[in-house]
Amino acid sequence: SQKIEQNSEALNIQEGKTATLTCNYTNYSPAYLQWYRQDPGRGPVFLLLIRENEKEKRKERLKVTFDTTLKQSLFHITASQPADSATYLCALVGYAGNNRKLIWGLGTSLGVNP
Amino acid sequence: EAGVTQFPSHSVIEKGQTVTLRCDPISGHDNLYWYRRVMGKEIKFLLHFVKESKQDESGMPNNRFLAERTGGTYSTLKVQPAELEDSGVYFCASSRGQSMNTEAFFGQGTRLTVV
Repeated sequence: SQKIEQNSEALNIQEGKTATLTCNYTNYSPAYLQWYRQDPGRGPVFLLLIRENEKEKRKERLKVTFDTTLKQSLFHITASQPADSATYLCALVGYAGNNRKLIWGLGTSLGVNP
Repeated sequence: EAGVTQFPSHSVIEKGQTVTLRCDPISGHDNLYWYRRVMGKEIKFLLHFVKESKQDESGMPNNRFLAERTGGTYSTLKVQPAELEDSGVYFCASSRGQSMNTEAFFGQGTRLTVV
């Protein structure tokens, strides 16, 4: 079955450093991969989408890579700030029959210390 | 522009009772999705509407769950009768495009607790 794995342990870093989060997937080849941010008591907020033919995508301090050979995506936040503290979710487009749907990882909690 | 709104934000009901969750998508978004997150588990897809039609309901757990989207605007998700394992956070999301390569906007979720 299609499966996604994200770092289960919380990541704590110092303000100003780069945070790197990992998303690994098995048993399928997604056409798209998305990253979301979720704060406590809130719904996920879309951050970035990367396609299978794109190696890297950037948006302000965010960078996402997509390695279809390794079956892995890396999510980087440069010059991290305490306001970046949240849970970050990886989601891939999977298929069930002819229907596409998002398949989600458990998320990784990021804490940025001032 | 108003975002996706869900009501209620919390609901505590007894096993066997009925609960109806409501989602108001962003105006003009034809695509509406329901998801559920059970504690300790990942978010799971339940259902996808395109306007008033069910495009994909393969994630619905069983026939105790009924989703509707009359008129292609707001949607309701009814659980009847509720069981303990139905507890979790139910998210609704809407998007303008139909495919998964467009940004989806999520509501804040409804936390359902069945006791």
